[in-house]
Amino acid sequence: KAGVTQTPRYLIKTRGQQVTLSCSPISGHRSVSWYQQTPGQGLQFLFEYFSETQRNKGNFPGRFSGRQFSNSRSEMNVSTLELGDSALYLCASWPATGGYNEQFFGPGTRLTVL
Amino acid sequence: GESVGLHLPTLSVQEGDNSIINCAYSNSASDYFIWYKQESGKGPQFIIDIRSNMDKRQGQRVTVLLNKTVKHLSLQIAATQPGDSAVYFCAENPGGTSYGKLTFGQGTILTVHP
Repeated sequence: KAGVTQTPRYLIKTRGQQVTLSCSPISGHRSVSWYQQTPGQGLQFLFEYFSETQRNKGNFPGRFSGRQFSNSRSEMNVSTLELGDSALYLCASWPATGGYNEQFFGPGTRLTVL
Repeated sequence: GESVGLHLPTLSVQEGDNSIINCAYSNSASDYFIWYKQESGKGPQFIIDIRSNMDKRQGQRVTVLLNKTVKHLSLQIAATQPGDSAVYFCAENPGGTSYGKLTFGQGTILTVHP
């Protein structure tokens, strides 16, 4: 079974631009969560999608948004980029068939904002 | 102002030693806990999990201990190998409608010397 894939792996943008990151979950997994990882703040939860609906949201500004498609693939978007948005953005998927399940992480997208 | 990076705890051991990595979690309502390992350039990788109705769980070479009274988790790695060198994170999940949301600890850097 293929793991979680994320594209692109690396991105360089300038302040004020916007960016879209993509995540393909493991086949059969219905939930996708996004996390931001920085040296200063560690790993922080952004949001979670299940059946095309945002089910949970972390404490990030409205510039951060996401969506999930009917095939469970997910995208996240960051508008009006700031230098502080430079981070590793991680996507995780899990079956969400009931109860607790481990989340499987992708390799991440490294975003650099100049 | 300038942000200050996290100063991750470090643990340095010799190959063959046993390692113990500790984690204090914050939410007394958390019901599910996971340990992840993250190697350089990769996403977090699941190691072992435990639910709040247990105080110990064993896997292959790893044991997780949970003390709910003092909100403390530990990960024990037996016969540590150089390939175990990585950053280790504990994560907690409150369950309920927040199954997809993990709150991560700051991480511990484990270095194993041959």
